[in-house]
Amino acid sequence: GAGVSQSPRYKVAKRGQDVALRCDPISGHVSLFWYQQALGQGPEFLTYFQNEAQLDKSGLPSDRFFAERPEGSVSTLKIQRTQQEDSAVYLCASSLGTSGDNEQFFGPGTRLTVL
Amino acid sequence: GDSVTQMEGPVTLSEEAFLTINCTYTATGYPSLFWYVQYPGEGLQLLLKATKADDKGSNKGFEATYRKETTSFHLEKGSVQVSDSAVYFCAPLKAAGNKLTFGGGTRVLVKP
Repeated sequence: GAGVSQSPRYKVAKRGQDVALRCDPISGHVSLFWYQQALGQGPEFLTYFQNEAQLDKSGLPSDRFFAERPEGSVSTLKIQRTQQEDSAVYLCASSLGTSGDNEQFFGPGTRLTVL
Repeated sequence: GDSVTQMEGPVTLSEEAFLTINCTYTATGYPSLFWYVQYPGEGLQLLLKATKADDKGSNKGFEATYRKETTSFHLEKGSVQVSDSAVYFCAPLKAAGNKLTFGGGTRVLVKP
């Protein structure tokens, strides 16, 4: 299929470990978004890329969170020195154009559990 | 900041019942409005949208009308099916920018 894929699907980390979460957007999609979804809550915006440019990172909860999309395609969300409060599902979404009205296509998410 | 208030679930219905999920929002500017749905075991997907006041979005028998005067975007379906069991998220988009603000989600369970 040609949907958004994310890896790994599940990640267990010990507190203090660094983790890297990968997102492969739909080919040709210009815009890429990361969201954090806590259990029983709606997704919360983390950051937004237009091609390789990170245009909005206002939702990143701390400087331990870092995202990149160096070639305007695959993106990686990195969390350093993980804490228990980082446990959540991390969702990636992509959209074709740059208008916010474009439909966002979501991946299945990576469930991160920090022990 | 922007916020979304969505009716809490779970909402349990019988097949062919009428479904309404209320959504109100506060947003600077006049946003576009979306409903996303998450079926069991699947990722979030767009259900419908409306991009300006008085627009009606519709899909799969669901409808929602953009009410600027009441800042609401309530989701309705006249006759639900078991396959409509899912979690529904209301999400306004700021007029300037690409940031969706999701509500907390409403779980709907339709029983045969």
